[in-house]
Amino acid sequence: KAGVTQTPRYLIKTRGQQVTLSCSPISGHRSVSWYQQTPGQGLQFLFEYFSETQRNKGNFPGRFSGRQFSNSRSEMNVSTLELGDSALYLCASSFERQGVNEQYFGPGTRLTVT
Amino acid sequence: QQPVQSPQAVILREGEDAVINCSSSKALYSVHWYRQKHGEAPVFLMILLKGGEQKGHEKISASFNEKKQQSSLYLTASQLSYSGTYFCGTVGSSNTGKLIFGQGTTLQVKP
Repeated sequence: KAGVTQTPRYLIKTRGQQVTLSCSPISGHRSVSWYQQTPGQGLQFLFEYFSETQRNKGNFPGRFSGRQFSNSRSEMNVSTLELGDSALYLCASSFERQGVNEQYFGPGTRLTVT
Repeated sequence: QQPVQSPQAVILREGEDAVINCSSSKALYSVHWYRQKHGEAPVFLMILLKGGEQKGHEKISASFNEKKQQSSLYLTASQLSYSGTYFCGTVGSSNTGKLIFGQGTTLQVKP
């Protein structure tokens, strides 16, 4: 099976702009989670979508939003970008096996805000 | 709520053993372990469910003490390929599926 894919891989934006990142999960996986990774904060959970519904949410401001489509592909949007939003954004798709979600990460999108 | 990993960093020689610990202040449903190499995505290693089970993956194994809300990752006879940052992720006892990661432990294996 093909792995999780994320596009674009690299992105440079300026403060105040908005950005949309895309994630295609592994075929058959219905859950997609998003994480922000920075050197100082580590892997921070943003949100999780399952069957087009947000199932879990982390502690990020409303500027961060996401959605999931019927084919399980997911997008996340960050509006009014700030310098502190520069990070690696990872998505992970998962399937549930025996009550546990095994998450598989994509390669990430490196966002730089100038 | 974020689990605490220890140590923060460890340097080993090939063939040596290491233990990485993950502690939570909350009751847990499961603990997930990942390894991330520089510039790459985290790679899934294993999941442990409450019940105190121990799992193995090649020469890497882990245990989960549900009562202490702790998990340990054991790397035996380390190889150069084991170098990277190890993350534990925890899911709370209500099993919402929300995975919260520790800050990571950087492991460097030298020849």
